[in-house]
Amino acid sequence: EDQVTQSPEALRLQEGESSSLNCSYTVSGLRGLFWYRQDPGKGPEFLFTLYSAGEEKEKERLKATLTKKESFLHITAPKPEDSATYLCAVQADAGNQFYFGTGTSLTVIP
Amino acid sequence: NAGVTQTPKFQVLKTGQSMTLQCAQDMNHEYMSWYRQDPGMGLRLIHYSVGAGITDQGEVPNGYNVSRSTTEDFPLRLLSAAPSQTSVYFCASRFWTNTGELFFGEGSRLTVL
Repeated sequence: EDQVTQSPEALRLQEGESSSLNCSYTVSGLRGLFWYRQDPGKGPEFLFTLYSAGEEKEKERLKATLTKKESFLHITAPKPEDSATYLCAVQADAGNQFYFGTGTSLTVIP
Repeated sequence: NAGVTQTPKFQVLKTGQSMTLQCAQDMNHEYMSWYRQDPGMGLRLIHYSVGAGITDQGEVPNGYNVSRSTTEDFPLRLLSAAPSQTSVYFCASRFWTNTGELFFGEGSRLTVL
């Protein structure tokens, strides 16, 4: 069964304190792994797509990496405006569905 | 571009009432879908469509109907609302390529009393 697990559920960081969020997945053939940011009361906003193990993508203070079993979202020197819930999703080779994790709620304290 | 537009943003229903959540996109996306988001459950797929006239069930389709008469619109119908359908609903669309990111609307918060 295709499955996505994110950890930790919640993370509190001091401004400037770097850390990583984890997304582990089991899927019968990975077509793509996606990271989204979701602010309270809003829809998820696309951040990155990763297609194969070893791939990395960067955007400002965020860097996403992918292995055969998991993905990491590294946050370098976070700022309070990085506070949000970060969602991971996978798309399998077979089928049209995206499978979402339950997210990591990140709070960055000034 | 407006992107994906959902209406209404908030709705309160009584058990047994019916309603339709509207979704429209102006990006010419072939693929449209409806998700529900509940605490601790993540986003779960209700129904999806790969083009006008074509719909299919997702992970949690019971109690919901959809139709796709145009490329732009994909309404979600609740025929007889139940308290278990209290949730936040998101419409999402994408191009129908081998892979591609989903674009989400702002969400519709539904409460069934």
